[in-house]
Amino acid sequence: GENVEQHPSTLSVQEGDSAVIKCTYSDSASNYFPWYKQELGKRPQLIIDIRSNVGEKKDQRIAVTLNKTAKHFSLHITETQPEDSAVYFCAVGGYTGTASKLTFGTGTRLQVTL
Amino acid sequence: ETGVTQSPTHLIKTRGQQVTLRCSSQSGHNTVSWYQQALGQGPQFIFQYYREEENGRGNFPPRFSGLQFPNYSSELNVNALELDDSALYLCASSFPGTRPPGELFFGEGSRLTVL
Repeated sequence: GENVEQHPSTLSVQEGDSAVIKCTYSDSASNYFPWYKQELGKRPQLIIDIRSNVGEKKDQRIAVTLNKTAKHFSLHITETQPEDSAVYFCAVGGYTGTASKLTFGTGTRLQVTL
Repeated sequence: ETGVTQSPTHLIKTRGQQVTLRCSSQSGHNTVSWYQQALGQGPQFIFQYYREEENGRGNFPPRFSGLQFPNYSSELNVNALELDDSALYLCASSFPGTRPPGELFFGEGSRLTVL
């Protein structure tokens, strides 16, 4: 099955700095790559996703880049703010039988300090 | 607000007991997936239901079972609870599977503690 590795596990940045989180995956047939933000005690919320027909997607301060050849994708957050502090999960879309599913990374705890 | 609702929000059970968790999918979504999120881990796929049938399962034993009803709501049942079943159980709804997979809308989850 799909194997997703995520680094780093924790990341501390100062407010205004950039943060980068990286994920690698194993199944070259995978073609959907979402990123979720999860605040303490809350559900995961989709913040951005990318499909394999594009290499980069940006939404305000958040961007995702995809390198299908190397099988890795990254989340970039610029001008970080305290409210960006949360756990971020990458995921890879795939199938089990006819069921669509996401395989998640192990998460990155981002802390934005003042 | 995603429209996916789950109940109960918290519950405590003892080893060997059985539990039923419930999920109402977002309006218009007829596919429901269940995920288990252990503390400090990413969610793991349990199974998915479409048209009241299980159409895919992750690496979970048969004591994890489910149902989907004609109104697309769903239940997750876990028998013979074990300590390691303690986790946040997330329900997610989506449009029918298309290639590639589409966005999942998660509910707030049911936090199960097994003592």
